[in-house]
Amino acid sequence: RKEVEQDPGPFNVPEGATVAFNCTYSNSASQSFFWYRQDCRKEPKLLMSVYSSGNEDGRFTAQLNRASQYISLLIRDSKLSDSATYLCVVKWVLTGNQFYFGTGTSLTVIP
Amino acid sequence: NAGVTQTPKFQVLKTGQSMTLQCAQDMNHEYMSWYRQDPGMGLRLIHYSVGAGITDQGEVPNGYNVSRSTTEDFPLRLLSAAPSQTSVYFCASRVTGRTDTQYFGPGTRLTVL
Repeated sequence: RKEVEQDPGPFNVPEGATVAFNCTYSNSASQSFFWYRQDCRKEPKLLMSVYSSGNEDGRFTAQLNRASQYISLLIRDSKLSDSATYLCVVKWVLTGNQFYFGTGTSLTVIP
Repeated sequence: NAGVTQTPKFQVLKTGQSMTLQCAQDMNHEYMSWYRQDPGMGLRLIHYSVGAGITDQGEVPNGYNVSRSTTEDFPLRLLSAAPSQTSVYFCASRVTGRTDTQYFGPGTRLTVL
């Protein structure tokens, strides 16, 4: 069983659309949660941390549901530049604060 | 700041050869780690270090060695390359704290024939 599971997609959406990604994690002791963005053949970069109360950064909104052990990312008013793979990441205290990555969800925004 | 740098960018090895992937960071981060990324698997932790002189194994350490003699450098050694080690390798560093942001290097694409 994978520690972090994501729908790999691909998601193909038109510009201006709203798109949502979900991610589930297996260990209830997970401490911290993040969304990273990875462009094709590039390194991952932090998009945003995910807080228990939910948080927003411009067109991006992240939510955490600890009871159901899932994390979501909502992108509003999609831009062509949002095309990338989005990685769901959790940190577990009990394994030395290691980070566990989902396989990623691929998004393509179409003109 | 250069951030996290990795060399080489690309490498082709024959089975049984050894090599060292270099990683350096200039942000004075204590925590450094090596990941490999394979299709359909996500990034998996190979080894990590919480400071100079301290290293530990991650999820997939077999076939790899690391050392951390300075805060800046964290090389990854492949002892005897195998085709199963064909992958993209990322080095990352971070400062522990509330945000836990990881900074990744540009990656090394390794092919073992």
